[in-house]
This record gives sequence, C-alpha cells and structure tokens, in this order.
Amino acid sequence: DAGITQSPRHKVTETGTPVTLRCHQTENHRYMYWYRQDPGHGLRLIHYSYGVKDTDKGEVSDGYSVSRSKTEDFLLTLESATSSQTSVYFCAISDLGPDSGANVLTFGAGSRLTVL
Amino acid sequence: KQEVTQIPAALSVPEGENLVLNCSFTDSAIYNLQWFRQDPGKGLTSLLLIQSSQREQTSGRLNASLDKSSGRSTLYIAASQPGDSATYLCAVCTPYAGNMLTFGGGTRLMVKP
Repeated sequence: DAGITQSPRHKVTETGTPVTLRCHQTENHRYMYWYRQDPGHGLRLIHYSYGVKDTDKGEVSDGYSVSRSKTEDFLLTLESATSSQTSVYFCAISDLGPDSGANVLTFGAGSRLTVL
Repeated sequence: KQEVTQIPAALSVPEGENLVLNCSFTDSAIYNLQWFRQDPGKGLTSLLLIQSSQREQTSGRLNASLDKSSGRSTLYIAASQPGDSATYLCAVCTPYAGNMLTFGGGTRLMVKP
C-alpha cells in the first residue's frame, strides 16, 4: 500500500489487556492519522500527528494513546482493551496539512482487532 | 459539527451504465472534499480531491463536482465496469480541531456483467 504498512493485520485479545498497533511509513510524510471504522459509524479519527512528538486528539480518542518518536512510526495503544474497541483500525499519511486544501491521504490496509 | 451523508447506501447497476453517487455535508466551511474507493477487506484509495475553490475534478471515467454553497458533491462514473464494484466514500476536510476528515457512510456499488 504505497509505503505504508500496519501491524499486526489481525489480532484477537481479551478485555483488559494492553494492545499496540503499529503504523510504519517509508514516504517521509509529516502527517499521520489513526482512524477506526465501524458499521453505522463510518471512519472516525482517533488521534493524529503533525510531526515527531507532536500529536493531538481526534473525535474518538478516549481509551487510546499514541506516540511518534520517529517520522516513520506512529503507534496506537489501547491501555486496557474493551469490547467496544473491537473495530478495524486504519492508519493514514499525508505530506501536506489540512489547511493546505491539498492533503491527499494514503491509507494502510487496516488492522482488524477483536476484543473478547 | 460537520455531518456527511451519502445517498444511496447501496446501488446495483448493469455494466455500461453511467451513474451518479451523491454526498451532502452540513457545514460549507471546508478545505476540500475527497472521494475514496474501498474494496472489501482493504484500505481506502484516494480517487479525487476537490479544493474548496474548485468546482470539479476529473480522472479518467470519474468526474467529481462540488457545490460548496449547497453542501453537495457528486461523483459521476461513466460507462461503469464490474471492476468499479466497491464502496465509495466521500470525506470533507474541515478546519475543526481534532476533526480533520469527516467521512460519509459510503455507497456500496455493484456493477453486474
């Protein structure tokens, strides 16, 4: 998927366990995003990053944290997974910011997480 | 809060037909509107991006229009093919902090041979 990979692609875990999803890019893009996709809700932004160590909350950030220590990696952590966090998680990257009006997003293939 | 609606939710057409997918949004304060394609079990692929100052964008058999004042966009697909079968999502990019792209629910398109 054009220089963006997500891992793991599938994960099944139990309620209360910590989970970390990784997004890795080789495009040297400044902006990175984590979305979740759920039936009936579409895609919703969880967190985003506009540079190394620069992150901010999205629309549905409760229960999630992120870190970006290197340009190429953006980690999404569920400190204590709940069943409501069962979803498909997508990472996206862009080289331009939203205010440019030209921020084409490239998406990863997704990570399917099931919390039992 | 920006809300994006796509109608219809699903569409089935015979091959060769020209078709229009609709997207509407509630707040015209947008940076751009983007159309994406999503195949089952896959990520999203960007198709077209229309900046707020533009009226339309074209790529091959795809043409997207934007009427910001009325909060509407259409994606026109000419001479549809079975390979066009996918879910099409529109998203508006807004200046709201923490919101970025607001997605519609998508239109699931099936083009029958």
